[in-house]
Amino acid sequence: EAGVAQSPRYKIIEKRQSVAFWCNPISGHATLYWYQQILGQGPKLLIQFQNNGVVDDSQLPKDRFSAERLKGVDSTLKIQPAKLEDSAVYLCASSPNIYEQYFGPGTRLTVT
Amino acid sequence: SQQGEEDPQALSIQEGENATMNCSYKTSINNLQWYRQNSGRGLVHLILIRSNEREKHSGRLRVTLDTSKKSSSLLITASRAADTASYFCATDDGGSRLTFGEGTQLTVNP
Repeated sequence: EAGVAQSPRYKIIEKRQSVAFWCNPISGHATLYWYQQILGQGPKLLIQFQNNGVVDDSQLPKDRFSAERLKGVDSTLKIQPAKLEDSAVYLCASSPNIYEQYFGPGTRLTVT
Repeated sequence: SQQGEEDPQALSIQEGENATMNCSYKTSINNLQWYRQNSGRGLVHLILIRSNEREKHSGRLRVTLDTSKKSSSLLITASRAADTASYFCATDDGGSRLTFGEGTQLTVNP
């Protein structure tokens, strides 16, 4: 079974630039999550999709972050404009149920 | 603040020794899970314990849960160098949203 795919793996941008991350979940998983993990901390949920609908985006900084999940499969997370404090690893996860989540390798973003 | 807080923040042991990590949380939970994260990689699910369970085993892993103290522990027996990673506890309140702790960095020296 293929795992959760994410791209790019690394990205370096300057502040105020825009960036987008892509996630392809495990086939058949209805639920998809985006997390932000700052160095030395645990992952923090940004947004949760159930199929192509948003279930929870209460911790998403909506003035600069946006996400979509077209057709209930792949998802993109965008930051526009980026700030220095957005430097983190962005993790995508998918789940077939409400328990176990399967994580991708993450995208390490550095904002200079 | 984080729902889960792991203790210790960092742990260094010799191969073959046991490693114990603790997690405390603040609000009522439905399930508690432990995840492992190798350097530069995504998280891997290790084990889930439900709120009505007190202990669970999986291979070299033993998890305990004390809901009266709002705490859990993860024991890794006969540790190996390959166990070197960060370990996170994560809780849910019955929904699908997980709240992660800050993690314990475990180093197993060969």
